[in-house]
Amino acid sequence: GAVVSQHPSRVICKSGTSVKIECRSLDFQATTMFWYRQFPKQSLMLMATSNEGSKATYEQGVEKDKFLINHASLTLSTLTVTSAHPEDSSFYICSARGGTLSSYEQYFGPGTRLTVT
Amino acid sequence: AQTVTQSQPEMSVQEAETVTLSCTYDTSESDYYLFWYKQPPSRQMILVIRQEAYKQQNATENRFSVNFQKAAKSFSLKISDSQLGDAAMYFCAYRSANFGNEKLTFGTGTRLTIIP
Repeated sequence: GAVVSQHPSRVICKSGTSVKIECRSLDFQATTMFWYRQFPKQSLMLMATSNEGSKATYEQGVEKDKFLINHASLTLSTLTVTSAHPEDSSFYICSARGGTLSSYEQYFGPGTRLTVT
Repeated sequence: AQTVTQSQPEMSVQEAETVTLSCTYDTSESDYYLFWYKQPPSRQMILVIRQEAYKQQNATENRFSVNFQKAAKSFSLKISDSQLGDAAMYFCAYRSANFGNEKLTFGTGTRLTIIP
């Protein structure tokens, strides 16, 4: 149980285009989802927290108009990187918690590697 | 704001030996959770062990155990009988127990190498 998937696992896009990353909880209802960014050989940095049906809460320094987060259902959250630039190239990881799962635990997706050319 | 510090960027250990990874944190809260996550080359984050701050007893999960020193704000991970599959990045993380503040704050990580 407690499986989180991400799609796609890898994506390459051209500078100036937008790309959408999906995060799904496969066997539980995720009341809260988190989006992290991880640069090579660095730690995970929280970008935003989203609760189902509510607007996402962004961390300081994260541009909400550039990184659009939609948590429209209890099993799906999406991250859209708008007008992507090479500096947006990174590894994006989502995590989810909620439902009947323990309140302190987050379950992580396998991540999405974004390369902007 | 809470901070988590891992002062060992890299560690190595002989297979079957024991290794301890260090983590310190800073917080003004009295109730919180601490975690160790493992990130293998696949990049999938895997929960290794968790500790509730209100529990004095150190958590143990098979070969993995922690030394939680609340007053010192220290949370080290001991891996016994190291195996090749333990090779990975290990991240220490903090989470408040306050409702509505569920975000994880991660340390910078320790890369563990297992020497055959």
